[in-house]
Amino acid sequence: GENVEQHPSTLSVQEGDSAVIKCTYSDSASNYFPWYKQELGKRPQLIIDIRSNVGEKKDQRIAVTLNKTAKHFSLHITETQPEDSAVYFCAASKGNQGGKLIFGQGTELSVKP
Amino acid sequence: DTAVSQTPKYLVTQMGNDKSIKCEQNLGHDTMYWYKQDSKKFLKIMFSYNNKELIINETVPNRFSPKSPDKAHLNLHINSLELGDSAVYFCASSQGGRQPQHFGDGTRLSIL
Repeated sequence: GENVEQHPSTLSVQEGDSAVIKCTYSDSASNYFPWYKQELGKRPQLIIDIRSNVGEKKDQRIAVTLNKTAKHFSLHITETQPEDSAVYFCAASKGNQGGKLIFGQGTELSVKP
Repeated sequence: DTAVSQTPKYLVTQMGNDKSIKCEQNLGHDTMYWYKQDSKKFLKIMFSYNNKELIINETVPNRFSPKSPDKAHLNLHINSLELGDSAVYFCASSQGGRQPQHFGDGTRLSIL
């Protein structure tokens, strides 16, 4: 069945370092891959997304890469700041399924000052 | 102005009761969703509606009944609440199925 595996489950970095979170999806028909940030007690907020016709996308300190052959996509955060501390979720979707997002298990990122 | 708003924010109730959660979006989107986030933070889709029509029903117990009176509203009614229903329920909306989904602030449901 459809599945998204996300690693690591927890990640601790020093302020200013880079953080990388990796996801693997099972359904090769998936074509939309968003990343959400969820702070404690808050709603998931979209931070970046990528579609299957693009290999990489960047927005300031955040970038996402997609390898369709390996069914693998990653989130890269550079120059981390304490306010980047949150749980990050990857997700995958197929365009013909009414927007159904399959989420990864989440990564709790802690940025130490 | 809140784009996707849910009420109530907190819901504490006894096992066996019936309760409803309401969701409204002012983004002009045509697709709305209900997600359940369990105690381990795992997010799972429950339902999806497009222009008031049910598109996704993810094998949720039939004690859960969504209703969409118009494309800006999607409510969730839960009958005979069980302990395992305790979770945070998020409403979301998007324009079509391949566009970014915007989440509401969630409803934390606690069953005593």
